Amino acid sequence: ETGVTQSPTHLIKTRGQQVTLRCSSQSGHNTVSWYQQALGQGPQFIFQYYREEENGRGNFPPRFSGLQFPNYSSELNVNALELDDSALYLCASRAGTGGLGEQYFGPGTRLTVT
Amino acid sequence: LAKTTQPISMDSYEGQEVNITCSHNNIATNDYITWYQQFPSQGPRFIIQGYKTKVTNEVASLFIPADRKSSTLSLPRVSLSDTAVYYCLVGDGSSNTGKLIFGQGTTLQVKP
Repeated sequence: ETGVTQSPTHLIKTRGQQVTLRCSSQSGHNTVSWYQQALGQGPQFIFQYYREEENGRGNFPPRFSGLQFPNYSSELNVNALELDDSALYLCASRAGTGGLGEQYFGPGTRLTVT
Repeated sequence: LAKTTQPISMDSYEGQEVNITCSHNNIATNDYITWYQQFPSQGPRFIIQGYKTKVTNEVASLFIPADRKSSTLSLPRVSLSDTAVYYCLVGDGSSNTGKLIFGQGTTLQVKP
């Protein structure tokens, strides 16, 4: 069974640029959530995708957007990058949308905005 | 959503039992309590989840008193590899958004 994978591992971008981060969910999982984790802080929920539609969103501006594909993999897109967007971006997958049950996290993508 | 409060850091020695307590005074009837573990440069990993009384699995136990306003994660006989950040989360089990609310967590340092 393959776990959650994310790419790239590290990324450096300049303020104002756009970035796309990718996530492959664990086999059999149809729900993907994205989190932002600043240094020394706990992860913050960005949004969740289920069956290719966003069905939950945290307090992040519209320049954070996402996609989920028929194979349940997902992308996180961030436009007009700001210095404060520098963080570890985590993807988590699970089966179904129920609040119970564990979510399986990937290793994350470390984004640095200069 | 109920807010959680945990100690920022704890120290222990190998072989000891570690208990990390989390306060969640405003927990709602539908809320469950979940603990995650995170190592540096890795994503969080689910440890245990419970609603009331006691839950035990192969890695930890979770104690929840009757009023459910707090919970205690118990790690038996810790080793150096248990050094990590531990997060206590409280959330509605009936919610379909999957939103996990993480606090700052407790950094556990296990010493030899």
